[in-house]
Amino acid sequence: AQRVTQPEKLLSVFKGAPVELKCNYSYSGSPELFWYVQYSRQRLQLLLRHISRESIKGFTADLNKGETSFHLKKPFAQEEDSAMYYCALGYAGGTSYGKLTFGQGTILTVHP
Amino acid sequence: NAGVMQNPRHLVRRRGQEARLRCSPVKGHSHVYWYRQLPEEGLKFMVYLQKENIIDESGMPKERFSAEFPKEGPSILRIQQVVRGDSAAYFCASSSGGGEKLFFGSGTQLSVL
Repeated sequence: AQRVTQPEKLLSVFKGAPVELKCNYSYSGSPELFWYVQYSRQRLQLLLRHISRESIKGFTADLNKGETSFHLKKPFAQEEDSAMYYCALGYAGGTSYGKLTFGQGTILTVHP
Repeated sequence: NAGVMQNPRHLVRRRGQEARLRCSPVKGHSHVYWYRQLPEEGLKFMVYLQKENIIDESGMPKERFSAEFPKEGPSILRIQQVVRGDSAAYFCASSSGGGEKLFFGSGTQLSVL
């Protein structure tokens, strides 16, 4: 069965500090991994996906198949990064690309 | 383009009543997904629809729940004879194709008294 685990429900850092939001997954096939973000009073939106290998708003995430992880990192956190972050697992090559398995989410708070 | 529109934002029903949740996808999108979020949990996939077709309903409870996406009009998630355990946030997402980026709506918060 597919599963996504975000071990930290809450994460607090100070502005300018590095931040890492952890995500581990279990899936027997070839995974597609995503990070979604929900800012206060806004809709859930895609932050980045591993196949793009891009950096969005200074965030990066590397898929580590050996450790089955897809941790989200940013070297210098900003107050506007405060939000709920969800890691999600999709199904590569399938017809239900939008069928995602979400983790429980991590609330990131960046203090001034 | 207003994005994915869901209504109502909040819906209160008594046990045994029916709940109808509506989702209008992004203009031009023909793929719709419904997710449910129970308190303290992540979003859980329910159903994937294309115009007039249910593609994957593996996440839908077997009874009382149904979904449709007609040729004209919004997608509807229908819950018959609601129970307290149906209280949750229901999110709709749309995409232009099966492998494309998802756009989420703001959700409908269903409360069953």
